[in-house]
Amino acid sequence: EAGVAQSPRYKIIEKRQSVAFWCNPISGHATLYWYQQILGQGPKLLIQFQNNGVVDDSQLPKDRFSAERLKGVDSTLKIQPAKLEDSAVYLCASSLRLAGSTDTQYFGPGTRLTVL
Amino acid sequence: GEDVEQSLFLSVREGDSSVINCTYTDSSSTYLYWYKQEPGAGLQLLTYIFSNMDMKQDQRLTVLLNKKDKHLSLRIADTQTGDSAIYFCAETTASGGSYIPTFGRGTSLIVHP
Repeated sequence: EAGVAQSPRYKIIEKRQSVAFWCNPISGHATLYWYQQILGQGPKLLIQFQNNGVVDDSQLPKDRFSAERLKGVDSTLKIQPAKLEDSAVYLCASSLRLAGSTDTQYFGPGTRLTVL
Repeated sequence: GEDVEQSLFLSVREGDSSVINCTYTDSSSTYLYWYKQEPGAGLQLLTYIFSNMDMKQDQRLTVLLNKKDKHLSLRIADTQTGDSAIYFCAETTASGGSYIPTFGRGTSLIVHP
């Protein structure tokens, strides 16, 4: 079974530029998560999708961050414009979300963003 | 709000047992997890425990949950150099039909030969 795919793996941009990350979850997984992991910290949930609907985006800085999952499969996360403090690893995860399940999340390798 | 705390570092000798501790604040946590992250990689689920359990054993891993004290621990028996990684404790809380995860900052486990 293929895992969660993310691209690019690395991105370097200057502040005020825009950037987009792509995630392809495990086939059949209904729920998709985007996390921000700043160096030395645990992942922080940015947004959670159930199929193509947003379940939780309370920690997403909506003035500059946006995410979509139009067909309920792939997802993109965009930052526009980027700030220095956005430098982090952006992790995508997916889960099957069976009723009463443990909701185990499977993580992709992440995209490391450096904002100069 | 929810908070998950972990010690930042743990150093052990190869062959010894490692115990990584975690405390959390949300008493309505449903599941508690331990993840492993190796350098440059995403998080790998090691094990989980439902909040109505006290203990779970899976090969070299033992998870203990003290719900009264909101304390979770992960014991790794016969620790190997390949176990060197960052270990994250996480909890999920049911909220409006969804599960909102909160992670700790991670404990760096260093295993000396």
